[in-house]
Amino acid sequence: GAVVSQHPSWVICKSGTSVKIECRSLDFQATTMFWYRQFPKQSLMLMATSNEGSKATYEQGVEKDKFLINHASLTLSTLTVTSAHPEDSSFYICSYYRGSEQYFGPGTRLTVT
Amino acid sequence: KQEVTQIPAALSVPEGENLVLNCSFTDSAIYNLQWFRQDPGKGLTSLLLIQSSQREQTSGRLNASLDKSSGRSTLYIAASQPGDSATYLCAWVTDSWGKFQFGAGTQVVVTP
Repeated sequence: GAVVSQHPSWVICKSGTSVKIECRSLDFQATTMFWYRQFPKQSLMLMATSNEGSKATYEQGVEKDKFLINHASLTLSTLTVTSAHPEDSSFYICSYYRGSEQYFGPGTRLTVT
Repeated sequence: KQEVTQIPAALSVPEGENLVLNCSFTDSAIYNLQWFRQDPGKGLTSLLLIQSSQREQTSGRLNASLDKSSGRSTLYIAASQPGDSATYLCAWVTDSWGKFQFGAGTQVVVTP
């Protein structure tokens, strides 16, 4: 089956620093990948659509200058949380869509202290 | 905007009982519907995918139905087991690129 990896699986950083999360599709060249965020005891909310070779499309209310997305190749999309604050602490999950089905990465838990 | 509602929000049953989880949506113009399972602190496990032209899908003890006219999908889990304890999420594909919208989830606890 389709496989998506994320790195790191968890990260702790200090307030004001930046954190980069990688999402790789291991068996598929994905022109489009998605980034979701999940706060504790809440559902997943779509943050942005990552398009290979072009700018990402952000959902309403998501700051594009704070959450930088780079989809430089067909197998790698990165999400950088810039100047992270404690309220950015969350579970970040990426996915790609293939053959009518969505495949998700295992997620990255970010804790900002 | 598509609204996705999952009922109940939480459910606790003794082992062996059947589970019925409901998911409703406001816009019938969906592409596909997918049910997921999420264990605490973990990612998502895909359970069943229903194409918009289909009415149901089955896999082992799981059966999911889709009724676009009423804006509802139901996940049935037969003969529940403690290992079925998790949060179950339904999600709609809302466009041809695969953009998903998730329900809030139903937290299930199956007691031995």
